[in-house]
Amino acid sequence: AQSVTQLGSHVSVSEGALVLLRCNYSSSVPPYLFWYVQYPNQGLQLLLKYTTGATLVKGINGFEAEFKKSETSFHLTKPSAHMSDAAEYFCAVGGEYGNKLVFGAGTILRVKS
Amino acid sequence: DTGVSQNPRHKITKRGQNVTFRCDPISEHNRLYWYRQTLGQGPEFLTYFQNEAQLEKSRLLSDRFSAERPKGSFSTLEIQRTEQGDSAMYLCASSLARELFFGEGSRLTVL
Repeated sequence: AQSVTQLGSHVSVSEGALVLLRCNYSSSVPPYLFWYVQYPNQGLQLLLKYTTGATLVKGINGFEAEFKKSETSFHLTKPSAHMSDAAEYFCAVGGEYGNKLVFGAGTILRVKS
Repeated sequence: DTGVSQNPRHKITKRGQNVTFRCDPISEHNRLYWYRQTLGQGPEFLTYFQNEAQLEKSRLLSDRFSAERPKGSFSTLEIQRTEQGDSAMYLCASSLARELFFGEGSRLTVL
């Protein structure tokens, strides 16, 4: 079985500050890891993914994440927050047969001006 | 637009009525997934299809829920005898490999 824990249901940063959203996973198979972003009343948009290879992955809108197997983590970062980054972010793990994704509970990012 | 399409986007119904949602996946994708999302929660897996075969169903999918993908293209999710607890966003996603592409969702409100 797989599971995801996102630490912090709400994160607030100032515009221009570092964004750090935490994700820890549990998986009995080599994991595939994803970050999705959701704006109000919309579906989920993929930010970035780790499947195999390089453990530091870059995504859209300046976001990146690092897969750390020893820490079972896949934290999302962005050097400088923008007002348009305010949204809800979901970490997800896959890799089991059928590749259904298991999602965390989400972190709402607020960006203060 | 060649993304995942879901209809209707919003549905308000009275308790006890039946509702049906439709999902049109990205055309070349062979896998299709249904998820449910309630307020303050992440999406929860309901079921998935590979082509027309329904290969896995979650325990969340009670016998009032049924999903089909008759020709391996579009899919429907039907909820019979709706209950207030069914109020949620129902998300459809399709996939060809590891990445899931999501539609905009169908929001159900049961009064």
